[in-house]
Amino acid sequence: GAVVSQHPSRVICKSGTSVKIECRSLDFQATTMFWYRQFPKQSLMLMATSNEGSKATYEQGVEKDKFLINHASLTLSTLTVTSAHPEDSSFYICSATGPHDTEAFFGQGTRLTVV
Amino acid sequence: RKEVEQDPGPFNVPEGATVAFNCTYSNSASQSFFWYRQDCRKEPKLLMSVYSSGNEDGRFTAQLNRASQYISLLIRDSKLSDSATYLCVVNGAGKSTFGDGTTLTVKP
Repeated sequence: GAVVSQHPSRVICKSGTSVKIECRSLDFQATTMFWYRQFPKQSLMLMATSNEGSKATYEQGVEKDKFLINHASLTLSTLTVTSAHPEDSSFYICSATGPHDTEAFFGQGTRLTVV
Repeated sequence: RKEVEQDPGPFNVPEGATVAFNCTYSNSASQSFFWYRQDCRKEPKLLMSVYSSGNEDGRFTAQLNRASQYISLLIRDSKLSDSATYLCVVNGAGKSTFGDGTTLTVKP
């Protein structure tokens, strides 16, 4: 099946620094990728929809200037958490819908800890 | 109202029990439906797709009722390894919408 690779799987950074997370579709072209955040014991919350070659669409309440999304190619989307703070500590997961708009394929997730 | 709503749970059942989860969705134009399983601190993994005709895979049965806009997941003969959070997912217009998830704990 389709494979989505995400890295890093875990990152610890200091407050005020920026962190970039990469999401790659390895064997298919993904014109659209999705970024989710999941806090402990809570559900996956869609942050934004990343569209290749155009601006991302952000969900209500998600700051686009804080969570920068770049989808420069059909196989790569990046999420940059800028000026990270401890409250940004969370599990971030990307996904892409398969080639025939079938199920979503998820990256492995990135656990971000801001200290 | 949320686009996708699941049974709140949690469900705590003994081994061997049968347990059912329900999920309702609000967008009648939704196109495809899935159940995912998520283990703690891991990414969601596809458990099974859901079709109007019903879909069975071993101890798991999923069903879709388009008229009432709900999907269900039935787990028979629960195993300890079934303990996880189960997410229903509704796809439409190129977007996946997740339910909040239902946590299942199977006890010896």
